[in-house]
Amino acid sequence: AQTVTQSQPEMSVQEAETVTLSCTYDTSESDYYLFWYKQPPSRQMILVIRQEAYKQQNATENRFSVNFQKAAKSFSLKISDSQLGDAAMYFCAFGGGADGLTFGKGTHLIIQP
Amino acid sequence: GAGVSQSPSNKVTEKGKDVELRCDPISGHTALYWYRQSLGQGLEFLIYFQGNSAPDKSGLPSDRFSAERTGGSVSTLTIQRTQQEDSAVYLCASSPRASGSSYEQYFGPGTRLTVT
Repeated sequence: AQTVTQSQPEMSVQEAETVTLSCTYDTSESDYYLFWYKQPPSRQMILVIRQEAYKQQNATENRFSVNFQKAAKSFSLKISDSQLGDAAMYFCAFGGGADGLTFGKGTHLIIQP
Repeated sequence: GAGVSQSPSNKVTEKGKDVELRCDPISGHTALYWYRQSLGQGLEFLIYFQGNSAPDKSGLPSDRFSAERTGGSVSTLTIQRTQQEDSAVYLCASSPRASGSSYEQYFGPGTRLTVT
């Protein structure tokens, strides 16, 4: 079984600044995928970014990028030029095999205007 | 196109009553997942369907929980004899294939269940 740990229950950042959300995981699998999802107050889970474990290159989606360290089992999310609309719960998730995703407990991101 | 829809959006029920939660996945998606999100927690995987079959039901919290999927489309999650600890948001997701790996899951807005 795999576990996902998000050690920051809450983070705060000034608008236009950069913030990094941490995620570590534990697994015995060698082939897997990692995801960051965003959940605003509307409850809708929105995929932010995806990383394939076999790829060494870190995934990037506009202002969102990850720092994937496979040996350290670390998968952090960097948000550049933070915007008010980025305020939400952010969940790190592990995907491997046909079962559902394993989620961390989330980080509440606050954007200070 | 239309996303994943769930109904009802909110449900308040008395302890001991049965409830049915419905999920309508994205058209053509063969895989369907149910998760439970308790207050302040991450998502807990409950069950997934590939087509109409559910290969693994071990994630269901108790035998009061059951789920079915008919016609490879709509799914219903049923909770019998509800308890207060069942209060949570129940989220449904669908995916083009049965894999948590290479294919991302598209989530519905969830059903907030409150057991009084």
